[in-house]
Amino acid sequence: AQSVTQPDIHITVSEGASLELRCNYSYGATPYLFWYVQSPGQGLQLLLKYFSGDTLVQGIKGFEAEFKRSQSSFNLRKPSVHWSDAAEYFCAVANNAGNMLTFGGGTRLMVKP
Amino acid sequence: DVKVTQSSRYLVKRTGEKVFLECVQDMDHENMFWYRQDPGLGLRLIYFSYDVKMKEKGDIPEGYSVSREKKERFSLILESASTNQTSMYLCASSSPGAGADTQYFGPGTRLTVL
Repeated sequence: AQSVTQPDIHITVSEGASLELRCNYSYGATPYLFWYVQSPGQGLQLLLKYFSGDTLVQGIKGFEAEFKRSQSSFNLRKPSVHWSDAAEYFCAVANNAGNMLTFGGGTRLMVKP
Repeated sequence: DVKVTQSSRYLVKRTGEKVFLECVQDMDHENMFWYRQDPGLGLRLIYFSYDVKMKEKGDIPEGYSVSREKKERFSLILESASTNQTSMYLCASSSPGAGADTQYFGPGTRLTVL
């Protein structure tokens, strides 16, 4: 069965600083990978997804993620964080059929002024 | 835009009560899901449905049941609410596509059982 680990429960960065959120997955075949963001009081919004092809994926709100098969990782990055990026971020991997997701425990991002 | 709505944002119930959480999607999606979200545990799948009247258990179905009588509506039922079911409940929907399906989420219902 697939699994996802987000090693950092909380991260604090200063506004304008760069950001990297870590995600490690366990899956036998080529994974389908997702990053979602949950702003306070909101549901989850899709930031980006990787299915195949280019290992660097661009998403909304200036986020990108890089798939590294050798490291079983799919880390999320942003070059310059804005205060509005404060939220909880979830990494997820799809099952073989592609119709169900397994989520990591989430990383809560706080942004210092 | 896909819209997934949930009947309540906040709900307070007493132990032993029967609780209904409703979810409606407006994009004619085949698949619908119920998750619960707890701090540090991420989202855990309770049940999902891939068609009307069809359902499958997820990772944590105990204490829950579901109903899908119409394609757009998926209900989560707590037959006898307990305090350990205090949580955030999220509904999602998706449609089969190339690769893996993208799930679209509702705003969530924060349920407190006293």
